Amino acid sequence: DTEVTQTPKHLVMGMTNKKSLKCEQHMGHRAMYWYKQKAKKPPELMFVYSYEKLSINESVPSRFSPECPNSSLLNLHLHALQPEDSALYLCASSPGPSNTGELFFGEGSRLTVL
Amino acid sequence: DAKTTQPTSMDCAEGRAANLPCNHSTISGNEYVYWYRQIHSQGPQYIIHGLKNNETNEMASLIITEDRKSSTLILPHATLRDTAVYYCIVSRGTASKLTFGTGTRLQVTL
Repeated sequence: DTEVTQTPKHLVMGMTNKKSLKCEQHMGHRAMYWYKQKAKKPPELMFVYSYEKLSINESVPSRFSPECPNSSLLNLHLHALQPEDSALYLCASSPGPSNTGELFFGEGSRLTVL
Repeated sequence: DAKTTQPTSMDCAEGRAANLPCNHSTISGNEYVYWYRQIHSQGPQYIIHGLKNNETNEMASLIITEDRKSSTLILPHATLRDTAVYYCIVSRGTASKLTFGTGTRLQVTL
């Protein structure tokens, strides 16, 4: 299994809602990542988890709350988002945080905030 | 991490080789060159990476100049399915800090 699975594929939420994005991999990878991609822009790193611990937070607003309950699962909890947070949210994984090889990306969750 | 410069867009006829250039003149000795591509509305896909030597895999070839200040990704026989945005990224080999630039939009045509 060489896949990173993200759910849901599409999410529409209001500014007062609380929702979560889920990412799962079963490749035994110990590093997992969240990227945000606005339309017609490159992906931007948000968070990195290494061995289930948050190792990098790229100054992301607190309305985005990541969680790594185990080595296979990564969540992104969303609360009080703004319309400008509408974007494609990409999850990725790699064997370890110092890996020199590839990042494996999921297909993304497309979020629309009304 | 060193910054990269890529052309905004390129066209290639189907069946021909697509040569995508990337300049990374400030690359340091321990930085790798990575290539990813992103087909519309999908997640980025790893293509290839290298440090000094040229590399080849089933998808593409990576040619790095001797001074390492530029590189070329070669898709030997482009197909319509290769239409995508191609990102050249320079990184110290820690996958945790891959910083995507604006990339090259490759359009493969009949």
